[in-house]
Amino acid sequence: QVQLQESGPGLVKPSETLSLTCTVSGGSLSHSYWTWIRQAPEKGLEWIGYIYYTGSTTYNSSLKSRVTISVDTSKNQFSLKLTSVTVADTAVYYCARDRAAAGKLDYWGQGTLVTVSS
Amino acid sequence: QSALTQPPSASGSPGQSVTISCTGTSSDVGGYNYVSWYQQHPDKAPKLMIYEVSKRPSGVPDRFSGSKSGNTASLTVSGLQVEDEADYYCSSYVGSNNVVFGGGTKLTVL
Repeated sequence: QVQLQESGPGLVKPSETLSLTCTVSGGSLSHSYWTWIRQAPEKGLEWIGYIYYTGSTTYNSSLKSRVTISVDTSKNQFSLKLTSVTVADTAVYYCARDRAAAGKLDYWGQGTLVTVSS
Repeated sequence: QSALTQPPSASGSPGQSVTISCTGTSSDVGGYNYVSWYQQHPDKAPKLMIYEVSKRPSGVPDRFSGSKSGNTASLTVSGLQVEDEADYYCSSYVGSNNVVFGGGTKLTVL
């Protein structure tokens, strides 16, 4: 059974960089697209982007200038960096597995709340 | 890419059927058979209920079904149960390895 767990600071100051890591257990990173999704308070889901296990990435065009997703196959982890954050980036951030790069997100982490505040 | 359009709310009584729509364009819903549906209970992670328009992952009851006509996809929940009360989100592939979600629908079981 694949399990995902997000980790990282729960509070980030405006203009700084949000950094989160997702640790995958119960399976390898191979042949899957590892995805970040976020959900602002009382709002819907927003797809941020994903990384294939080989390292190729695709990002939401609205966030592309600020987002970097990377992978560390030796640790079975992938990470999210979002630069120049504002209060609008306050959200629960989820990591998930997409088997087909088409939105089939079959395993999710529990999510982690990141608050942007001074 | 713009979010897909879902009704904010839907409701039904136990045992009844309810259908939730997800409207996009020919560039997303209408252009690909890669529509998924997710169920989210309060303070929980979303759960995949339907993928590739109408396929159910193992363990999802067959009361949940999906379909698509033109630029609109639909999720039907038959034989409504109290535990089906949740938020439901659709998503679609939009090309260039991008995905977009709908705004979400709150399903109330009366």
